[in-house]
Amino acid sequence: GNSVTQMEGPVTLSEEAFLTINCTYTATGYPSLFWYVQYPGEGLQLLLKATKADDKGSNKGFEATYRKETTSFHLEKGSVQVSDSAVYFCALSEVGGTSYGKLTFGQGTILTVHP
Amino acid sequence: GAGVSQSPSNKVTEKGKDVELRCDPISGHTALYWYRQSLGQGLEFLIYFQGNSAPDKSGLPSDRFSAERTGGSVSTLTIQRTQQEDSAVYLCASSFGDLNTEAFFGQGTRLTVV
Repeated sequence: GNSVTQMEGPVTLSEEAFLTINCTYTATGYPSLFWYVQYPGEGLQLLLKATKADDKGSNKGFEATYRKETTSFHLEKGSVQVSDSAVYFCALSEVGGTSYGKLTFGQGTILTVHP
Repeated sequence: GAGVSQSPSNKVTEKGKDVELRCDPISGHTALYWYRQSLGQGLEFLIYFQGNSAPDKSGLPSDRFSAERTGGSVSTLTIQRTQQEDSAVYLCASSFGDLNTEAFFGQGTRLTVV
């Protein structure tokens, strides 16, 4: 079946540091890939997505590129802020069958950014 | 409504009692999903609705769990004879059901079984 593996956290950085959160996946077919973020006390919200190989998703300074050859979708940001402190989830979406749009999530990575 | 609404936001129940969790999706969204978020298990898929039918119930952990959706809108997740291992945050999401469409999540219901 499908699966998503995320780098384990927690990750603690100083403000303006470079961020990478690794994500690799196993899937049949060609899934869409997503990063969701959960800020403290809030619900899950979409951060960015990519729907086919070599697509780059970007939002709020975060980027991730769909790499089919390495089955990866690593999240990066050049300069993190305190307000980026949250839990980040990598996910893939089923593209057919009876589970259309069903999301398979990684375990989540807790990011804490200090001033 | 403006977003996915779930109620109650918190529920404490005694072991063995039944509970009902409600999800109001975004108006017009045909697809609705239930997930469970618990320590050690991460985010697990429970069930998927397209309209009022559930083509994928593969994530329901036992026959104590059931869900329905009426009028292509509101969904209720029912847990019978609750157990302590049912304690988790139950999340609902809805979308237009297209291939690349974004799923919008509710704030969740935190269920604690004591």
